[in-house]
Amino acid sequence: GNSVTQMEGPVTLSEEAFLTINCTYTATGYPSLFWYVQYPGEGLQLLLKATKADDKGSNKGFEATYRKETTSFHLEKGSVQVSDSAVYFCALTNGGSNYKLTFGKGTLLTVNP
Amino acid sequence: GAGVSQSPRYKVAKRGQDVALRCDPISGHVSLFWYQQALGQGPEFLTYFQNEAQLDKSGLPSDRFFAERPEGSVSTLKIQRTQQEDSAVYLCASSLSSGGPRDQYFGPGTRLLVL
Repeated sequence: GNSVTQMEGPVTLSEEAFLTINCTYTATGYPSLFWYVQYPGEGLQLLLKATKADDKGSNKGFEATYRKETTSFHLEKGSVQVSDSAVYFCALTNGGSNYKLTFGKGTLLTVNP
Repeated sequence: GAGVSQSPRYKVAKRGQDVALRCDPISGHVSLFWYQQALGQGPEFLTYFQNEAQLDKSGLPSDRFFAERPEGSVSTLKIQRTQQEDSAVYLCASSLSSGGPRDQYFGPGTRLLVL
C-alpha cells in the first residue's frame, strides 16, 4: 500500500536558518505529492504540491522537488522566519483512489528569534 | 470567502454516548472528505462523498461510524456508542473538483474526547 515517512521532529531553528524536512514515500505508479502546514490553532493548509516526476512545487519561499528515483519530496526553505513555526505534513494521493490523502506523521518546526 | 467550518470545535462524551459532528464545506465544492487524526499522528482517511453519494467508506474503523451528506452540501459524521479509542480530532475537507488529484481545503477540526 501507500505510505509516507517524514523525519522525526521536533526541529528547532534560529531565524534565517536553512530548513530541510525530509519526506520519502512508498507507492506504486506515479503518485501526486503534497506538503500541508498546520499553524497553531488552525486547520491544515495546502502549502505546495507536485504531480509528476521532476516537478518542483513552491510557495511562500518553500520548495520541494518530486524525485522518483529516490522516492522523495523533501521540503526546503532558504531562510525561515518565526512565523513559519508550525507542523508540516507530507502527503500523497495515488492510483484509483487519487482523492484519498495518505499523510506522514508530521514534523513540528519551531523557529526562535 | 468562507472556508470549511466544523462544529462543535470541542466535544466531551462519556463512553457509550452517541455524538454527531457537523461539517459545512466551501459553497459549490463537490467533494467532501472526513479524516481522523490521533494525537501525534497524521490524519487518516475515513470516507469520501461526491455530492450526496458516499463513494468510499473504506476508512471507517467500525460500524459504529456513519457519515451522510443528504443534500450534497453539509455533512454529518455520527459515532454511536463512543469508546475511548475514538478520542481524536476529526477533520473535514472539501474540494471543488471530482476527478484526479485535487486540492483539499480543511476545516479546523472537532476535537473529541471520550471519557
